[in-house]
Formats: sequence, structure tokens, C-alpha cells
Amino acid sequence: ETVLTQSPGTLSLSPGERATLSCRASQSVSSSYLAWYQQKPGQAPRLLIYGASSRATGIPDRFSGSASGTDFTLTISRLEPEDFAVYYCQQYGTSPLYTFGQGTKLEIK
Amino acid sequence: QVQLQESGPGLVKPSETLSLTCAVSGGSISSGKWWSWVRQPPGKGLEWIGEIHHSRGPHTNPSLTSRVTMSVDKSKNQFSLKLSSVTAADTAIYYCTRDSDSGYSLGYWGQGIPVTVSS
Repeated sequence: ETVLTQSPGTLSLSPGERATLSCRASQSVSSSYLAWYQQKPGQAPRLLIYGASSRATGIPDRFSGSASGTDFTLTISRLEPEDFAVYYCQQYGTSPLYTFGQGTKLEIK
Repeated sequence: QVQLQESGPGLVKPSETLSLTCAVSGGSISSGKWWSWVRQPPGKGLEWIGEIHHSRGPHTNPSLTSRVTMSVDKSKNQFSLKLSSVTAADTAIYYCTRDSDSGYSLGYWGQGIPVTVSS
């Protein structure tokens, strides 16, 4: 099973700042199979990024994703108040088919 | 726009079977997409349970395979999950989902249904 480790566990930033969230895979993961989700309290997760770097429909361009080997990064260029939430990375392809990281909580400083 | 809506009992007794249904609107269950269940224990992260297709065999999380049954009802445009021999560890919000148009990710989610296992 591929384990995804997200860091940091909690990130405290202010609106307008840049956020960098990390997701490291325990073994090789194709970039095509790496996604990011945003989850706000009381809501279902929402797909942000698929294929490591492609934005899902309706996602603002301040959200971007990148990959380098087994390291994946979600960057929010300039934080808006509505961006404070929990973010999960997810990989597809090894049993189980979908696994998620433990999440990074992005909180207002 | 595909919409998903979970339904089922919010309280299940230990050792019994949890049964949930997901109604699909705005699209067909026979569209060739995969339909999944994901759960989230209180205050914790996401766990994929399994996926089903209208004409192919299901795939399940090995940690749950022995207890999971999934099915598709084309006439009602819905799919279902049964999880047997539940314990308190199965208490969670259960989400039904559909894979994204590009695949390999979950692009459509229901609002989720909280299920508590307790006597």
C-alpha cells in the first residue's frame, strides 16, 4: 500500500499570504494519479487538482499543483478567507485503489 | 451536473449490517463511470471503501472486503453499500462519490450521511 504523508499537520497563515502544502508518497506514484481536495467544516471534500497539476472545473487559478519524484505540492498563491480549510492529497492505482493523506489544516493566523 | 444523495439509517446496532443507498441525478448510473463510497470517522481523515460499475465487478478496500457488498440498481439510477458485522469503529460520515471526468480522482460527492454504531 502506498502511504501518503502530508506536512505540515497545521499551517497558520494570514489572508494574502502564500501557502505551500506538501504530500510525500512512500513509493512511486504517477503524476497522473495524484489529486488534491479541499474540505470545509460540515461539507464534503471538493476536488481541486487532478493529475498533480490540472485544476478541476471552477477552481480559481490561485490554486496550483506540482510534482517532483514522490513529492507533490499544492500552492495557494494568495490566500483568501474562504481558503482556510483542511486539504487532502489522494493517490490512485495501488491497492486500495484510492488512498488519502492524513490532511493539512490551513488555519487563520 | 451530476448530483448524489445518500440515504439510510443514522443508527445501527453493533454486529448488524449497515445499509446505505446513493441516488444519482443529472446523469446515468450506466454512464460508464465508477461509483465509490468513502467514509470519514469523526475528526479523522478519509477512507475509500470501494467502487462499483454498472457492468463490471466491484473493487474494494482489502481492509473491508470481507464485510462489504455493493450493488447497482439501473432501474432506480442508484447504487448501494452494505457493511456487515459493524462495530463502533465503523461510526463515520459516509459519502457516495463518482470518479471525475478525467478519471483517477473523485469529482462528484454527495453531502454525506452520518452513521453511528451503538446499542
